[in-house]
Amino acid sequence: GDSVTQMEGPVTLSEEAFLTINCTYTATGYPSLFWYVQYPGEGLQLLLKATKADDKGSNKGFEATYRKETTSFHLEKGSVQVSDSAVYFCARRDSTLGRLYFGRGTQLTVWP
Amino acid sequence: EAQVTQNPRYLITVTGKKLTVTCSQNMNHEYMSWYRQDPGLGLRQIYYSMNVEVTDKGDVPEGYKVSRKEKRNFPLILESPSPNQTSLYFCASSLQGATEAFFGQGTRLTVV
Repeated sequence: GDSVTQMEGPVTLSEEAFLTINCTYTATGYPSLFWYVQYPGEGLQLLLKATKADDKGSNKGFEATYRKETTSFHLEKGSVQVSDSAVYFCARRDSTLGRLYFGRGTQLTVWP
Repeated sequence: EAQVTQNPRYLITVTGKKLTVTCSQNMNHEYMSWYRQDPGLGLRQIYYSMNVEVTDKGDVPEGYKVSRKEKRNFPLILESPSPNQTSLYFCASSLQGATEAFFGQGTRLTVV
């Protein structure tokens, strides 16, 4: 089965709405967790990361907390902007081999 | 500027005509990998390399080859491309361990 499961899209929101994109993972040990963002026509960019339980990653108003008890790393933003329209990928990194495993991506569209 | 460079950005080719997509990084990263991105399937790893002369299969290696003769370069080779290899390809690099990966801009390949 998938080792990273994220919320199916697409997600459509109005500007200033609250955003949550759910992400759960399966792994042995303590993987590092990431959110990447892909703007139209571009490659993936790191949005934020967390490397141990209870860490909170944050960047550009986005936040995600590493919850070991629920194996989750949900992405949140209090007030989205049109410029946040992109595809968001949750990922975990295997702590031994270093492989990255991605979720299927969630397309976010924000309307003015 | 730290970056991962892929070439070409766009390529249209015919079935069976061998092609190579190049990937180069200037960050002295040990770990490099190739992904393909397809609608509804997210990113799937094709091959990865943990260092020079060390490569291994990812989740979808069939029809692809790689080599890692130098630390900075990790070309992807399609010996006999087929239409089901039409996709968006990304190269990524990172340091070993639980660090983030840096991605190239992508190569959009169409095989007719």
